[in-house]
Amino acid sequence: ETGVTQTPRHLVMGMTNKKSLKCEQHLGHNAMYWYKQSAKKPLELMFVYSLEERVENNSVPSRFSPECPNSSHLFLHLHTLQPEDSALYLCASSQERGAYSNQPQHFGDGTRLSIL
Amino acid sequence: AQSVTQLDSQVPVFEEAPVELRCNYSSSVSVYLFWYVQYPNQGLQLLLKYLSGSTLVESINGFEAEFNKSQTSFHLRKPSVHISDTAEYFCAVYQETSGSRLTFGEGTQLTVNP
Repeated sequence: ETGVTQTPRHLVMGMTNKKSLKCEQHLGHNAMYWYKQSAKKPLELMFVYSLEERVENNSVPSRFSPECPNSSHLFLHLHTLQPEDSALYLCASSQERGAYSNQPQHFGDGTRLSIL
Repeated sequence: AQSVTQLDSQVPVFEEAPVELRCNYSSSVSVYLFWYVQYPNQGLQLLLKYLSGSTLVESINGFEAEFNKSQTSFHLRKPSVHISDTAEYFCAVYQETSGSRLTFGEGTQLTVNP
């Protein structure tokens, strides 16, 4: 059983809808991540939160909006997505130590997102 | 910037055969190395890691990987695979530079056939 829980597991939405993905970690970690996993491509790091502050935003379109209300919860708010945004969205957490994050990341099972 | 190359996108093998999944990375500056496994409809799970010490690391289910600094490689091996090992395997590298993040390879799909 994973210590990182993502809901929903599957989401189908139209391009004009607004929805949110939720991630919760029960591991006491201080850093959380959003990744996008598309077929035949490496994992794409989207956002990183460390101690509830966004520390990285890898040129992600503004139609994706993250929120980290506390160290255990992470959201990804979705608005007017495009068909190419269909993918598996993975949340992960880790324990960062100072400036370095060489500790393993623990992943949730992901949300499979399909844009109609 | 760090890059990770997994040379084989697909590796089909028969049950009980040995297997090697190859991983090379671009920088030999202080690095930490990971292998993750992803079973169907699941997220990634840590399989094994090299942070320091012995260059040969092992997992609890019989996989091992060897850190080779001169060849900048971290190949994953198992002497005898099971059907349950069928999954996608990702190599990941963290380079010790402030603000650096994990860099993942494109993944290798291991399919074990009876």
